[in-house]
Amino acid sequence: AQSVTQPDIHITVSEGASLELRCNYSYGATPYLFWYVQSPGQGLQLLLKYFSGDTLVQGIKGFEAEFKRSQSSFNLRKPSVHWSDAAEYFCAVGARGSGGGADGLTFGKGTHLIIQP
Amino acid sequence: DGGITQSPKYLFRKEGQNVTLSCEQNLNHDAMYWYRQDPGQGLRLIYYSQIVNDFQKGDIAEGYSVSREKKESFPLTVTSAQKNPTAFYLCASSINRWTNTGELFFGEGSRLTVL
Repeated sequence: AQSVTQPDIHITVSEGASLELRCNYSYGATPYLFWYVQSPGQGLQLLLKYFSGDTLVQGIKGFEAEFKRSQSSFNLRKPSVHWSDAAEYFCAVGARGSGGGADGLTFGKGTHLIIQP
Repeated sequence: DGGITQSPKYLFRKEGQNVTLSCEQNLNHDAMYWYRQDPGQGLRLIYYSQIVNDFQKGDIAEGYSVSREKKESFPLTVTSAQKNPTAFYLCASSINRWTNTGELFFGEGSRLTVL
């Protein structure tokens, strides 16, 4: 079974600074990988996804992520954060081959991003 | 606009009562899911359904029940057997099991508080 680790529970970044949120996964093959964002009391919104091909994927709101097979990682980056980026961020992994996400995605526990003025 | 609608957004329940959370989608998706979210726990899968009239238990199904009588609807009942039901509940959908890459589309969530 697959698993996801987000090592940082909280991260504080100054507005305008760069951001990197870490995600490591465990899965026996190349997985489907996702980053979602959640504002307080809201559902999850997809930021970006990796299925195959180019390992650097671009998403919405200026985010990007890089799939590194050798490190089993899929870290999320943004060159300059805005106060509106403050939210909870979830990395997720889906299994391949058996109908894709037939039993739903496996999520990390999330990273809470705080933006300092 | 297509999407997933969850209701109610906030719900209060007395101990010993069953409550049902509604989830409706107009995305024409075959698969639907229920997740539970607790602070610091991420999302945990309760039940999922790949097709009408069929559903499977997820990781934390005890104390919950579901039905899937229509493609558009996947209601979740939180029974009195659920020991700690206070949580944020999220419904999601995805296209189907054959072309599915796992991408989920989420509703806005329902917050259940047991008094």
